[in-house]
Amino acid sequence: NAGVTQTPKFQVLKTGQSMTLQCAQDMNHEYMSWYRQDPGMGLRLIHYSVGAGITDQGEVPNGYNVSRSTTEDFPLRLLSAAPSQTSVYFCASSSTPAAGPFRGGPSSYEQYFGPGTRLTVT
Amino acid sequence: GESVGLHLPTLSVQEGDNSIINCAYSNSASDYFIWYKQESGKGPQFIIDIRSNMDKRQGQRVTVLLNKTVKHLSLQIAATQPGDSAVYFCAERDTDKLIFGTGTRLQVFP
Repeated sequence: NAGVTQTPKFQVLKTGQSMTLQCAQDMNHEYMSWYRQDPGMGLRLIHYSVGAGITDQGEVPNGYNVSRSTTEDFPLRLLSAAPSQTSVYFCASSSTPAAGPFRGGPSSYEQYFGPGTRLTVT
Repeated sequence: GESVGLHLPTLSVQEGDNSIINCAYSNSASDYFIWYKQESGKGPQFIIDIRSNMDKRQGQRVTVLLNKTVKHLSLQIAATQPGDSAVYFCAERDTDKLIFGTGTRLQVFP
């Protein structure tokens, strides 16, 4: 059981280039999300998915696209990289989405995070 | 908009002492809170959570206290160890997503 995996760990892009950050989980979690983490700021939600085929925007979605064709994978695409997208990106999954009434045990909203991808756009 | 913040960006404690990390939240409708620990170069790791119908919850060496009157959350770590050195985040459930605070760095010195 690998948990949440992310690739690559490090990436340098030039302005205007495109790339896809990969995220996979083997816990059969329905809920997956992407965050970015910048110095002095908390984790900010980019996009999230409550199940295969369903995605929605988070707090900072501009410049990013996602898709969820399978339960396991949730890739994040940068269509035209900009220096403002220099950040550390984290993918997370959980067994239940943050929305709606409480379900399951006390820690049912626990999100499992991947190790992160450090992206630099020059 | 609503936000989650922390009072102290850095907390230094001596090994063996107790640590208290504080968090203020502004959304009075938030019904669930989580504390995460993030070590350097790693993703956040779940520590403990609490629902708004509780005011205290204990785990192994950690206790979370929730004061809804003043919208304040705290994480207490007993007998702080060098391995506790990390950045600690609080987060609140805001309708359909988790909103994270900026984090407090805990430094443990011998």
